[in-house]
Amino acid sequence: IAGITQAPTSQILAAGRRMTLRCTQDMRHNAMYWYRQDLGLGLRLIHYSNTAGTTGKGEVPDGYSVSRANTDDFPLTLASAVPSQTSVYFCASSDSSGSGANVLTFGAGSRLTVL
Amino acid sequence: GQNIDQPTEMTATEGAIVQINCTYQTSGFNGLFWYQQHAGEAPTFLSYNVLDGLEEKGRFSSFLSRSKGYSYLLLKELQMKDSASYLCAVVSNDYKLSFGAGTTVTVRA
Repeated sequence: IAGITQAPTSQILAAGRRMTLRCTQDMRHNAMYWYRQDLGLGLRLIHYSNTAGTTGKGEVPDGYSVSRANTDDFPLTLASAVPSQTSVYFCASSDSSGSGANVLTFGAGSRLTVL
Repeated sequence: GQNIDQPTEMTATEGAIVQINCTYQTSGFNGLFWYQQHAGEAPTFLSYNVLDGLEEKGRFSSFLSRSKGYSYLLLKELQMKDSASYLCAVVSNDYKLSFGAGTTVTVRA
C-alpha cells in the first residue's frame, strides 16, 4: 500500500539522549516535511525538503536536524533530547513544493516522550 | 508570522449541520486547506480553496473569502464517524502550510 511509514510508533527517551525518527515514502513525492503536534498549538513545521539533497528550516527547527540523501527517506534527529520535545511527530510528503494546491499525505505519527 | 484562528470545540447532534469557522492573517496567500484528523490518527485531506466561493464535496463544503481572511467548513447530515478534529491550514507566500490549532467536533446521538 502506497504511503508513508514512520518508525518508531512510540518511544520513551531519557533527556540528553540522541534519537532519530525515521520516515520513508513510496509515492516518489519530491517534497517531505516534519511537523510536531502539541495540544492547543496545532501542527508546526520543523524542517522540510523540497527535493532530494536539499533541506530547509521551518517554524520550530531548534534542537532538530534532518537529511535527505534520496527521494524516499527523510529522517529527523534530536541530537540531545529535552522534555519540551515531548510531542507527536508527523512526517508528510507532497508531489511538489512550489504550488498552492499542494496536498500533503501524512504518516501515522511517532509519539515521543522525553523524561 | 502566521495567525490562524478557529474554535477549539463544537458539539452537534447526529443528522445536524455544523459550521467551523477559520480566520487567518498570513504572509501572503496561496490557498486554504481543511484536513480531518481522527483521534490518534494522521490528518487526511478534505478540501482546498484558492478562489472565493463555495466548494462542495458530498456532505462537506468549504467556503473562502480572501478579502475577509475567512473560511468555513460545513458538515451536513452529521454522522458519528464525523467526530474528529478539523484543521484549517493556509498556504503562505513560500508555499508552506501553516495550521490552526484545530476544532474538535463531537457528534452526539
